[in-house]
Amino acid sequence: GAVVSQHPSRVICKSGTSVKIECRSLDFQATTMFWYRQFPKQSLMLMATSNEGSKATYEQGVEKDKFLINHASLTLSTLTVTSAHPEDSSFYICSARSRPGNTEAFFGQGTRLTVV
Amino acid sequence: AQSVTQPDIHITVSEGASLELRCNYSYGATPYLFWYVQSPGQGLQLLLKYFSGDTLVQGIKGFEAEFKRSQSSFNLRKPSVHWSDAAEYFCAVGPGRGAGNKLTFGGGTRVLVKP
Repeated sequence: GAVVSQHPSRVICKSGTSVKIECRSLDFQATTMFWYRQFPKQSLMLMATSNEGSKATYEQGVEKDKFLINHASLTLSTLTVTSAHPEDSSFYICSARSRPGNTEAFFGQGTRLTVV
Repeated sequence: AQSVTQPDIHITVSEGASLELRCNYSYGATPYLFWYVQSPGQGLQLLLKYFSGDTLVQGIKGFEAEFKRSQSSFNLRKPSVHWSDAAEYFCAVGPGRGAGNKLTFGGGTRVLVKP
């Protein structure tokens, strides 16, 4: 099956710094990638949808200036949490879809972000 | 708007016993339905999916799910659970092709397996 890899799997950063999370599709070209956030013991909430070569579409309530998403190539999307605060601590998961008409998306293993 | 409800937050089952996880959805058209499993600190693994056709869907790891349109349900079952099945399970609904594939997830059901 298709493989999506996230890096890093865990990161601890100081409050006020920025953190970049990478999401790579290893064996397919991802026209669309999705970024989710998951709080402890809760479900996944979609943050944004990014299409290769265009600006990301953010869900209501998600600050686009705080969560910068770049999808510059068909195999890589990045999420940068800018000026991180402790309340940004969470589990971030990406998923990737190979074709616009393809409903199934493949998930990365997630990134645990802790802001201290 | 689409929504997914997983009524059971926790389920404890003995190893070797059967398991059923409930999922109810709300969606105006024919939904695309998924079940995912998440181990602690890990991403999501697709167990099975339903798009159309046979309403009983077979998945990986011995799981199956049945789509019941009249009940707006897509319950997940396994005849005999293994200790390795202890995990969080998420039901999700998608709007189908050409609609952005925005999955809406249920709240999840945590499965504990007793020896």
